[in-house]
Amino acid sequence: ETGVTQTPRHLVMGMTNKKSLKCEQHLGHNAMYWYKQSAKKPLELMFVYNFKEQTENNSVPSRFSPECPNSSHLFLHLHTLQPEDSALYLCASSRLKGDTQYFGPGTRLTVL
Amino acid sequence: AQSVTQLGSHVSVSEGALVLLRCNYSSSVPPYLFWYVQYPNQGLQLLLKYTTGATLVKGINGFEAEFKKSETSFHLTKPSAHMSDAAEYFCAVSESQAGTALIFGKGTTLSVSS
Repeated sequence: ETGVTQTPRHLVMGMTNKKSLKCEQHLGHNAMYWYKQSAKKPLELMFVYNFKEQTENNSVPSRFSPECPNSSHLFLHLHTLQPEDSALYLCASSRLKGDTQYFGPGTRLTVL
Repeated sequence: AQSVTQLGSHVSVSEGALVLLRCNYSSSVPPYLFWYVQYPNQGLQLLLKYTTGATLVKGINGFEAEFKKSETSFHLTKPSAHMSDAAEYFCAVSESQAGTALIFGKGTTLSVSS
């Protein structure tokens, strides 16, 4: 599936670093999502954007800061992360919120 | 509030055997129901979905699922497992009328032995 791309695919960062994850969708969708997938845990919805407006923030710590400059791009800015933030971060998009979501391949993040 | 329960975090079958992955949901309004598959080091791929209409839904790779409102279930089946079916499978629910985001189950890892 190349409709949703994520970069980088792998990222290793120290706790004091600042980095950003990028997601781009080429499907003409209006809703975009960030999920966190940790080992042995269900997928955790982090943020939802609908028509560039954030509509959901599921009690995500402020060290994660999303940005949605347009309906095709979604960023997740990372700052002062903790080792427990190491996970696979998945981006998804859908035509409208609640519709079928299409996922990117994810960014495997390791925080040292 | 919506929730999804997938019974069995790990299911093992032999090649050629029936695959049955169980999913029960709770929703206060008519749900949209989904099954996704995740292969190692990849994102989630949609297998099939139920929105309205026919309760037996056919998806890709020979999978199908049946929406049973009375049982609040949406179990995933495949008549004959292939080695390539080994992956993690996620059931998800969305409250269609509310247009809410998906709520996922914890996932079931399917192993297929020869």
